[in-house]
Amino acid sequence: SAVISQKPSRDICQRGTSLTIQCQVDSQVTMMFWYRQQPGQSLTLIATANQGSEATYESGFVIDKFPISRPNLTFSTLTVSNMSPEDSSIYLCSVGEGMTTEAFFGQGTRLTVV
Amino acid sequence: EDQVTQSPEALRLQEGESSSLNCSYTVSGLRGLFWYRQDPGKGPEFLFTLYSAGEEKEKERLKATLTKKESFLHITAPKPEDSATYLCAVRSVDYKLSFGAGTTVTVRA
Repeated sequence: SAVISQKPSRDICQRGTSLTIQCQVDSQVTMMFWYRQQPGQSLTLIATANQGSEATYESGFVIDKFPISRPNLTFSTLTVSNMSPEDSSIYLCSVGEGMTTEAFFGQGTRLTVV
Repeated sequence: EDQVTQSPEALRLQEGESSSLNCSYTVSGLRGLFWYRQDPGKGPEFLFTLYSAGEEKEKERLKATLTKKESFLHITAPKPEDSATYLCAVRSVDYKLSFGAGTTVTVRA
């Protein structure tokens, strides 16, 4: 299974600012995913990031708010822009080797916006 | 739209008291059902993948089963270290994962 490292593990940010979350994988993977887990709720897919192409966003999520980079097969970033308290969540990076196999997750970034 | 419903929301068990968690799903073409364990402050940890009705997987005190409409996670003789939130997810024909809200299990010594 892939080992996924996320940075930062947690942060407290002022409203109106932006935070970039980094995701590093110990092996090359085709597909990387970003999820949001709001307090007491389950995981919601934000977008799929494939190397060499634009990220694909799910309904309710837009590139201006959550820009994603995928410069190579082991790294991705998610930026949460112009933050508001409603953006307080855990953000998770995930990778999957195949279309039907299991996905593996990083430890998450706990974001609090004040 | 794919739907995953987990029950109960919370489960409090005495050490050694076996129980089961339920995951009911509606999906357009199942491409896999996945169970994860999530500890507070951590990302989900993969436990099992099930692909077809009748399939079973076991790991230590955990056993996952699958029917055409639901999956069960059986915890046999649980220990306090089994305390966690257990998440169920399904992958459909578009290959995206849909997660349930989870069952939080607390095992008292």
